[in-house]
Amino acid sequence: EIVLTQSPATLSLSPGERATLSCRASESVSSYLGWYQQKPGQAPRLLISDASNRATGIPARFSGSGSGTDFTLTISSLEPEDFAVYYCQQRSNWPRTFGQGTKLEIK
Amino acid sequence: QVQLVESGGGLVKPGGSLRLSCAASGFTFSDYYMTWIRQAPGKGLEWLSYISTSGSTIYYADSVKGRFTISRDNAKNSLYLQMNSLRVEDTAVYYCARPSSQGGSGYYYFGYWGQGTLVTVSS
Repeated sequence: EIVLTQSPATLSLSPGERATLSCRASESVSSYLGWYQQKPGQAPRLLISDASNRATGIPARFSGSGSGTDFTLTISSLEPEDFAVYYCQQRSNWPRTFGQGTKLEIK
Repeated sequence: QVQLVESGGGLVKPGGSLRLSCAASGFTFSDYYMTWIRQAPGKGLEWLSYISTSGSTIYYADSVKGRFTISRDNAKNSLYLQMNSLRVEDTAVYYCARPSSQGGSGYYYFGYWGQGTLVTVSS
């Protein structure tokens, strides 16, 4: 199965700063990678599909990039509501797999 | 609006069985494939299983293959997960999830989730 490794495990930033989260695949997934945000006690929310397509209703400050094995989720200017855990997920192969998550916390 | 409501979770002993249900509303259930995803306490997300619109195609994660069975009843707008031979490590919140859309890249990702149902496996 494809293993997704996210880094860093925890990212401490302040509101207004730029956040850069990484997801690396154990083999190429082409552009078939998505990103989710999860807040405590809530189900995950889809942010990005196929590397760079923002889901409906997702603010423009969220952007995704990458292909092959290396992907990035960028939040251009952090809002207080952006502090959460972020997961990547590949849809290239079965079984689908998720990364272990990056916790974005307030510095 | 799209609603997914899981039920059937609870406390079960190792080796026991449990059947989870997911009641869908607000959309044409038979038009969408469905999945189960779980999250152990304080841990990340784990994709478990996929079932196609008709139920003819099914996939499982290795961790549950041979123990869990996914099924659906399109007439009842319901998704199921039969869980047998449960282990302590199966303790988690179990979510059912639906793709974001019927086409485009959103088809392949999970835009709609239930609130989850907690399964605790403990003696």
